[in-house]
Amino acid sequence: DTGVSQDPRHKITKRGQNVTFRCDPISEHNRLYWYRQTLGQGPEFLTYFQNEAQLEKSRLLSDRFSAERPKGSFSTLEIQRTEQGDSAMYLCASSRPGELFFGEGSRLTVL
Amino acid sequence: DQQVKQNSPSLSVQEGRISILNCDYTNSMFDYFLWYKKYPAEGPTFLISISSIKDKNEDGRFTVFLNKSAKHLSLHIVPSQPGDSAVYFCAASVGGIIQGAQKLVFGQGTRLTINP
Repeated sequence: DTGVSQDPRHKITKRGQNVTFRCDPISEHNRLYWYRQTLGQGPEFLTYFQNEAQLEKSRLLSDRFSAERPKGSFSTLEIQRTEQGDSAMYLCASSRPGELFFGEGSRLTVL
Repeated sequence: DQQVKQNSPSLSVQEGRISILNCDYTNSMFDYFLWYKKYPAEGPTFLISISSIKDKNEDGRFTVFLNKSAKHLSLHIVPSQPGDSAVYFCAASVGGIIQGAQKLVFGQGTRLTINP
């Protein structure tokens, strides 16, 4: 399978804990994105990378959130001191011009 | 401030008939528009796109229409099939087909149900 893969698919955690999600993009895509989707809403842009450079961050990305793409390949999204409002589907995507390919998402449930 | 709106949360259509999904936007800087389909527990899947220099793009059973003056786009599916039952999102971006898809702004989605 050469699509965008995300891990874990589902994470349940207690409030205050840290969580980390991993994304492996399509290998020939140099742009990688993180989006968040809450119930009944469309995906919302969080941040994106061109190779290893993080070029833009949404104001939705509070200080508790950090994303990295150290070697321009896979990326991680870490959420520190999770809050119940962080419960959402975190979607990773990679792109070629004109088209964005999404992974299946990592669902976070904060109890 | 919802820049992309899908005002119909759900739509039910008979198999074989036409499904029409609508989307409105407010930002006149948007110049590239996409439709995505989403099944439960899966990520959104790209369906079709249109650049603002066109008013229509067709791909098999799917056609997207763009009315720039009304800031409105629609997705037509004909004939509708049971496998088309999913949530459909429209999305918009600034930057065209080369720069586009960097940062998509999505609507809230419309749940389409195709009845046999």
